Amino acid sequence: GAVVSQHPSWVICKSGTSVKIECRSLDFQATTMFWYRQFPKQSLMLMATSNEGSKATYEQGVEKDKFLINHASLTLSTLTVTSAHPEDSSFYICSAKGPVKAFFGQGTRLTVV
Amino acid sequence: AQTVTQSQPEMSVQEAETVTLSCTYDTSESDYYLFWYKQPPSRQMILVIRQEAYKQQNATENRFSVNFQKAAKSFSLKISDSQLGDAAMYFCAYRSGGSNYKLTFGKGTLLTVNP
Repeated sequence: GAVVSQHPSWVICKSGTSVKIECRSLDFQATTMFWYRQFPKQSLMLMATSNEGSKATYEQGVEKDKFLINHASLTLSTLTVTSAHPEDSSFYICSAKGPVKAFFGQGTRLTVV
Repeated sequence: AQTVTQSQPEMSVQEAETVTLSCTYDTSESDYYLFWYKQPPSRQMILVIRQEAYKQQNATENRFSVNFQKAAKSFSLKISDSQLGDAAMYFCAYRSGGSNYKLTFGKGTLLTVNP
């Protein structure tokens, strides 16, 4: 079946630095990818929709300058958390729109210290 | 905007027994899809079952089945012959019809399976 690979699976960074998370569709082309955020013991909240070759669409309340999304190819979308702060610590999950359904990456646990 | 409500934060079931997880949703759309996702401790989201709104027949996948009540906007998940591996967080999700695969999730139900 279709596979979406998300990397890294976990990362610890210092406050004020930037972190990049990659989401790759391994065996299909994904014109659209989605980035979700999940706080501990809570649901997934959509942050933004990433469209290949165009600007991402951000959900209300999500800072586009803080969460930079790039979808430069049909198999790769990246989420960069800029100037990370402890409150950005969370679990980030990507999802790629496949031929029939969406597939999820394994998620990235970000800890900002 | 669409909303998805899961009123059971936690549920437990004995191994081999049956459990039903509840989900209600609110939408004004006629074309949509409903899903149940499982999230085990690994945090990987796993699709359990999917239901197209235009289909009256309830979806089934082996031990998993749904009770889709469109008029009541209800979409419950029944797990039969529960297994220890079924223990996980279960999320009900909604997506509009068409090509937009954006999902709206409920808050989740944590299922514990007791041996």
